[in-house]
Amino acid sequence: DAGVIQSPRHEVTEMGQEVTLRCKPISGHDYLFWYRQTMMRGLELLIYFNNNVPIDDSGMPEDRFSAKMPNASFSTLKIQPSEPRDSAVYFCASSLGSPGNTIYFGEGSWLTVV
Amino acid sequence: GQQLNQSPQSMFIQEGEDVSMNCTSSSIFNTWLWYKQDPGEGPVLLIALYKAGELTSNGRLTAQFGITRKDSFLNISASIPSDVGIYFCAGLLSEGAQKLVFGQGTRLTINP
Repeated sequence: DAGVIQSPRHEVTEMGQEVTLRCKPISGHDYLFWYRQTMMRGLELLIYFNNNVPIDDSGMPEDRFSAKMPNASFSTLKIQPSEPRDSAVYFCASSLGSPGNTIYFGEGSWLTVV
Repeated sequence: GQQLNQSPQSMFIQEGEDVSMNCTSSSIFNTWLWYKQDPGEGPVLLIALYKAGELTSNGRLTAQFGITRKDSFLNISASIPSDVGIYFCAGLLSEGAQKLVFGQGTRLTINP
């Protein structure tokens, strides 16, 4: 079975540009998560969705970040305008909500803002 | 906010040695998960623990859910070069909760 699929795998962009990261969760999973990983802060939850509805976006750094999930098989994380401090690895993950649920991660999108 | 304290931060061992790492918290968790992250990849689930006191093995890996529900450990026996990577503990605070809290990670380096 296909796992969580993210694109792009790597992106280098200039400060001020818009960045869009994409995610396809595992088919049938009803929860989708966006995480950010940096050396300084480790893995941080940015936002998560249940059945395409945003449930908790308290981890989103600021208004420059936005996430959408228009359907069960696709989500985007957008940064506009991007800043150098946004450089990080962004992971999408999904799970099937149930007691004892397990969260599966994609391979990540490695973002560098110069 | 809730925090998981993972230790040690890094380990340098010889191939064949056993490894032990742990996570502690001041909060009570209902689920503990252990992930491994290889360079350039996302975290991959190794072991999931759902009940206090539960001891679970996955090959050379063994993990336990502490009785107090505030800690967990992961042991790796007879380490091999492919065990190199970063190991993360993660916890879910309540049954059905979806917000994973992650430890800071333990970076494992193995000398052949």
